[in-house]
Amino acid sequence: ELKVEQNPLFLSMQEGKNYTIYCNYSTTSDRLYWYRQDPGKSLESLFVLLSNGAVKQEGRLMASLDTKARLSTLHITAAVHDLSATYFCAVDRYGGGSNYKLTFGKGTLLTVNP
Amino acid sequence: DGGITQSPKYLFRKEGQNVTLSCEQNLNHDAMYWYRQDPGQGLRLIYYSQIVNDFQKGDIAEGYSVSREKKESFPLTVTSAQKNPTAFYLCASSTGGSGEKLFFGSGTQLSVL
Repeated sequence: ELKVEQNPLFLSMQEGKNYTIYCNYSTTSDRLYWYRQDPGKSLESLFVLLSNGAVKQEGRLMASLDTKARLSTLHITAAVHDLSATYFCAVDRYGGGSNYKLTFGKGTLLTVNP
Repeated sequence: DGGITQSPKYLFRKEGQNVTLSCEQNLNHDAMYWYRQDPGQGLRLIYYSQIVNDFQKGDIAEGYSVSREKKESFPLTVTSAQKNPTAFYLCASSTGGSGEKLFFGSGTQLSVL
């Protein structure tokens, strides 16, 4: 059974600081996704990482994937209040035939304080 | 505009009642999914469908049923057998296959009266 673990689950940080969210998963996969969710809202896709060593950056967020270590990181640089949200990582899981499905971590609730 | 539409936004269920959540997409996606979100639990897969007239159980399918008669539509019925239905339900779609990101609807909050 595929397990996806994020840490920390809660993160409170000051504006201007840097921090990293970690996502570990238990079985082989080279497809990893990061999503953002604002309170009461739907999920928005941030990054899709498709191979070992993949790195993607958008604004103050940078995601990377190490498939050998089964680890992805989401690095936040110089945090601003607008980044406050819940961040989820998700891993592809093969379901047989042509079926693929995502298994999500529990999410990291990020609060950026002035 | 292309997207995924879920309705209603809020839904209340009485004891012993079946309720149906609607999910429609106009993205021409083959694959559609239903997830349940509970506070602190992340998202858990209920059912998914890769093509019309075919669907598979996810991790928590008991007490739920689905149909996929049209490519655009994937309704979810929460039956009376689901004893703890209060949750936020999210529908998603993708082009299918590995490496394809999901596009999510705005969600339905289901509560028990």
